[in-house]
Amino acid sequence: DAGVTQSPTHLIKTRGQQVTLRCSPKSGHDTVSWYQQALGQGPQFIFQYYEEEERQRGNFPDRFSGHQFPNYSSELNVNALLLGDSALYLCASSLGWQGRAGNTIYFGEGSWLTVV
Amino acid sequence: AQTVTQSQPEMSVQEAETVTLSCTYDTSESDYYLFWYKQPPSRQMILVIRQEAYKQQNATENRFSVNFQKAAKSFSLKISDSQLGDAAMYFCAYRSARNYGGSQGNLIFGKGTKLSVKP
Repeated sequence: DAGVTQSPTHLIKTRGQQVTLRCSPKSGHDTVSWYQQALGQGPQFIFQYYEEEERQRGNFPDRFSGHQFPNYSSELNVNALLLGDSALYLCASSLGWQGRAGNTIYFGEGSWLTVV
Repeated sequence: AQTVTQSQPEMSVQEAETVTLSCTYDTSESDYYLFWYKQPPSRQMILVIRQEAYKQQNATENRFSVNFQKAAKSFSLKISDSQLGDAAMYFCAYRSARNYGGSQGNLIFGKGTKLSVKP
């Protein structure tokens, strides 16, 4: 059973460019969330997709956008890259709301983005 | 807004000894979950243990246990019989139990505690 997979693993971009990161959720999962983790910090929530709609969004500018496809995979797009966007981008998957018991969130290994 | 605070940037423990990592959080919600995640150098977040706020009993997973004090909004992690493989960053995280249009709440992380294990 494949877990959460992300691509690419590492990439280097220049300021002002645009980047797309991809995520395939764990088999059977329908919800994908994206987190940004700067060096030495905890992950910060960017947004969450469920049923192809953005359901929640963290405190990130509109330069950060996403999409979820019918097969539940997801993309994170960042436009007009800034040096401060350099970070590890983590994708997490889970099932939709399962009542009070909740369910486990699984993480991928992340995509390292360096902006120069 | 909910916040999670980890006041120990770094901790060190001798192999086979016990160590406790601290976490406090702030929320006005009554129903939520708390987690400890481990992030080794590979950077993949691994769930260590979880606690449902509506459960009085502290969660345990083998050598890992928590001390959940709901009134004090405190959630510490105790690692017994520490092993070299326990060395990693440990993150405390909060998640609301609300239903967000069919999806569950996002994770709110603390800044982490770097745990070193000495042989």
